[in-house]
Amino acid sequence: GAVVSQHPSRVICKSGTSVKIECRSLDFQATTMFWYRQFPKQSLMLMATSNEGSKATYEQGVEKDKFLINHASLTLSTLTVTSAHPEDSSFYICSARDPRGLGGELFFGEGSRLTVL
Amino acid sequence: QKEVEQDPGPLSVPEGAIVSLNCTYSNSAFQYFMWYRQYSRKGPELLMYTYSSGNKEDGRFTAQVDKSSKYISLFIRDSQPSDSATYLCAMSARSTGNQFYFGTGTSLTVIP
Repeated sequence: GAVVSQHPSRVICKSGTSVKIECRSLDFQATTMFWYRQFPKQSLMLMATSNEGSKATYEQGVEKDKFLINHASLTLSTLTVTSAHPEDSSFYICSARDPRGLGGELFFGEGSRLTVL
Repeated sequence: QKEVEQDPGPLSVPEGAIVSLNCTYSNSAFQYFMWYRQYSRKGPELLMYTYSSGNKEDGRFTAQVDKSSKYISLFIRDSQPSDSATYLCAMSARSTGNQFYFGTGTSLTVIP
């Protein structure tokens, strides 16, 4: 199946700093990528939809100035958590839709665990 | 009413058992159905992808879709301890564009 790579898998940072997470589709071009947040033992919470060449669409309640999304190419989307605080600590997962599939299968990255001290 | 309902479990079975995981949904427009397996602290891994109604088999896994009942299932035969994970169902439709709808996930433990 298609591969989506996410980096870093784990990051620890100090409160107030910014952290960037990268999401790459390795063998297909993804015009759309999705960013999720997942709390322990809970399901995926969609944060935003990242569209190549245009602004991301954020879900209600997600601060766009806090979670900056850039989708500058068809294979790369980045999520930057700005001025991180301990409450931003979470598991962040990206996904990309493979346009070659019948309905566009959705593939996920490995996830990035952010810990803000 | 949620778009997709999934029993969170937890479900615990002995090794070798047949496991049945299920989701129900409310939007009759859904036509693409997926099952993901998620190990702890990892991203979800696509297991099965089906279109419309019917069955699809891949090794020990069988996915079933019953659109008339708005019900999908994932069966795992000869379950192994390595199958212990959370299983998520997901679905979408052309009419929902890029939107995917997820179940909450069912936690499965296969006991050796």
